[in-house]
Amino acid sequence: ETGVTQTPRHLVMGMTNKKSLKCEQHLGHNAMYWYKQSAKKPLELMFVYSLEERVENNSVPSRFSPECPNSSHLFLHLHTLQPEDSALYLCASSLRVEGGYTFGSGTRLTVV
Amino acid sequence: AQSVTQLDSQVPVFEEAPVELRCNYSSSVSVYLFWYVQYPNQGLQLLLKYLSGSTLVKGINGFEAEFNKSQTSFHLRKPSVHISDTAEYFCAVSDLEADKLIFGTGTRLQVFP
Repeated sequence: ETGVTQTPRHLVMGMTNKKSLKCEQHLGHNAMYWYKQSAKKPLELMFVYSLEERVENNSVPSRFSPECPNSSHLFLHLHTLQPEDSALYLCASSLRVEGGYTFGSGTRLTVV
Repeated sequence: AQSVTQLDSQVPVFEEAPVELRCNYSSSVSVYLFWYVQYPNQGLQLLLKYLSGSTLVKGINGFEAEFNKSQTSFHLRKPSVHISDTAEYFCAVSDLEADKLIFGTGTRLQVFP
């Protein structure tokens, strides 16, 4: 247990479904991140929230919609996904860059 | 802007042999450097970090790394690996201006019996 909890651990969804990924941290961190990790590809930073405000959005398709209601929780809302969106989605949090990031265990998403 | 290069995508090694995973970075300013490990279907876990001071940094699981400013490198080493060290290893550098980490593409360490 790292202090960053992601649910669910596994998710299978159809292309017409709507689902949400949840990330929770109680480490007192003030920044949270969503990463996408596909097989044989580098880590892709999707979104960054600092003090609950989105500060980075790396050209992510609109079928991914993040939400950060408070500094402890981060959601990734998914709708009308494509099979190529199948990947491991990682959440991370941080307080100061010198502390590094603390990662959750990820959600393995399969789009069918 | 900062960047990180991990030249080796895969490193095969026999159990109990030494290993070095290479990491080079580019930056015109002082940096913080990190190594993370990722086991299958898990998130990334911090192995060690360099912030300042001694250039030799010791981390968990017997790993260590040496910061070399002149060569802009931060290579990860272990004198004797175990089967359980089989995992993906990521090097990361701080981007102090953007207050975030930049990750390398990862090196897959495969330890054979």
